[in-house]
Parts: sequence; C-alpha cells; structure tokens
Amino acid sequence: DTGVSQDPRHKITKRGQNVTFRCDPISEHNRLYWYRQTLGQGPEFLTYFQNEAQLEKSRLLSDRFSAERPKGSFSTLEIQRTEQGDSAMYLCASSPTREAFFGQGTRLTVV
Amino acid sequence: AQSVTQLDSHVSVSEGTPVLLRCNYSSSYSPSLFWYVQHPNKGLQLLLKYTSAATLVKGINGFEAEFKKSETSFHLTKPSAHMSDAAEYFCVVTPMDSSYKLIFGSGTRLLVRP
Repeated sequence: DTGVSQDPRHKITKRGQNVTFRCDPISEHNRLYWYRQTLGQGPEFLTYFQNEAQLEKSRLLSDRFSAERPKGSFSTLEIQRTEQGDSAMYLCASSPTREAFFGQGTRLTVV
Repeated sequence: AQSVTQLDSHVSVSEGTPVLLRCNYSSSYSPSLFWYVQHPNKGLQLLLKYTSAATLVKGINGFEAEFKKSETSFHLTKPSAHMSDAAEYFCVVTPMDSSYKLIFGSGTRLLVRP
C-alpha cells in the first residue's frame, strides 16, 4: 500500500491550454474525491465517485472541468481552456468508509 | 446545510503549553467529524476521527478531540505543544445523509514559540 498517488506533482501551462491530472487511489477504496486548494484557504470540494459512478459535483466545477473514473480504479481530472483563476493545488483522496486519505496534490500554475 | 466553523484563524502557544483549536459544526444528521493536519508543502494527514462511537477521541501525536453534541463542537486539544506541531489544522465534517463529501473548515494555523 503506497498511499494515494497523483501525477504530475507540478504543472505549468499557458492560459487556454487543456490539462489532465491523474489520481491512483489506495487499492480497494471505493470512494474517490477531488478537491481544490488555493493559498491560505481550506480545500474546496469538486466532485466524488463511488466506484465508477460520479455521485456529486460542486457548482465550482464549471463545464470546463470534467472528471472520470472509468473502471472504478484511477481517476482523471481534465480542465479545458485553462484560466489564471484555475491556478491552485488539486488534491485527490480515497476512502474505504468515512475517513479519506489524501495524495500530495498536483500544483497547477496557469501563466 | 452542513458547515464547519473554525473559530480562530491563528493560534500561538509556547512550547510545552496546552493547545486548544476550536471547531463548531452544523449538520442536520449525526455527522462524522475529523481533524486533519497540513505541514508546509506536505499533504493532508488524518489526525483523528469521530464516527459516533466514544465521544472522546484520541489521535496521533498526542492530540485528542471531544465531540459535544449539545454544543455542536469538536475542539482539538493537546496537553503539551511541541515545535513540530506547527502547521495548519482543518476541522472536517461529513454529513451522514446521502452525501459522503468532506466539508472543510477554513483552517487554523498553529504557531509554536520556543
């Protein structure tokens, strides 16, 4: 068990480009979460999956954001047409029951 | 609606003195409550959890929290602060109705003076 893994750890992109992040949860954890954290703030909920089903999405998740978990294992978060306001740490977590275990995050910088 | 309020954005203590980080929650159902810690440039680490068992919960590194339903509080305490405790602490609630999302408070930064 190597914990929740996120890739890449850092991403710098130009405004308007698309980016995709990957999350590999702890094996056999059926719930997977995506959060966004900006400097000095607490993590904000984006979306979560129960197995491959996306059960809830935040209103923060505009139509430029899409998340998938095709086989109920790893997940991807794609941001299309990035904006400077998308610059943040994107956190993934997985959960077997109630508590969640977080990865190290992907830091996105949009220039 | 469920929410979490962390009453102090910053708490400063001297090494060896007690720590108290305050958290109040609002939930329509019997919630699960957690405290997470985030050291600079590190990921979020689970400190402790309350899931409707014992109201006094012990966590890692000597931290404890007490669930008080009448006060809707879940304050985090430690008898004696250590320099390594300096970090950001988040109180988190999961409303145990149809949603399993974690709702974070705004965080409390703990400073430990030598």
